[in-house]
Amino acid sequence: QSALTQPASVSGSPGQSITISCTGTSSDVGGYNYVSWYQQHPGKAPKLMIYEVSNRPSGVPDRFSGSKSGNTASLTISGLQAEDEADYYCSSYTSSSTPVFGGGTKLTVL
Amino acid sequence: EVQLVESGGGLVQPGGSLRLSCAASGFTFSSYEMNWVRQAPGKGLEWVSYISSSGSTIYYADSVKGRFTISRDNAKNSLYLQMNSLRAEDTAVYYCARDSGSLAAADYWGQGTLVTVSS
Repeated sequence: QSALTQPASVSGSPGQSITISCTGTSSDVGGYNYVSWYQQHPGKAPKLMIYEVSNRPSGVPDRFSGSKSGNTASLTISGLQAEDEADYYCSSYTSSSTPVFGGGTKLTVL
Repeated sequence: EVQLVESGGGLVQPGGSLRLSCAASGFTFSSYEMNWVRQAPGKGLEWVSYISSSGSTIYYADSVKGRFTISRDNAKNSLYLQMNSLRAEDTAVYYCARDSGSLAAADYWGQGTLVTVSS
């Protein structure tokens, strides 16, 4: 299973909104509403931010939102804050009954 | 409080073996599916293996199939990863992660244990 495709980096200023894309195929992102997003700060374990395309776990700010269109899922962060600077990974369930991750996107808050 | 604590990492020579453990607490371990996920230095996340709550269903990434074995002991609230025939490309931080109940979504992760394969 090939990794999902994410941009290597995105950036934005505090208060702005950014969107990170995650492109797969009909065998993963496009075929199932089981896309998740993780935030990882340096040296820390990943943290689940979005599951099932657009659902937020308890405690995740509503500034974080997810969506999907066809084979591409997206994570949008509105009202950017300094603490949002981190790496972000998407993940999708696949036709092999296993998950696959994206390559990761480094978010820089300018 | 949910806690996952990995152990067993270290330096091993190519071709060697290592067994990782993950001690779970703060939840009913026997009710949850579990995963191992790894991250090579400076690289992204790679899913390694999955085991169902009873241990009856197991999956592996192609990159480790035939070399790694996942298992669990629900009586001891523990998850394991037996790694054989280790290669340099297996060098990574290995995380155990609890399935949230939704497919491909892990809601709790351990702090990770570093495995270094080098001569």
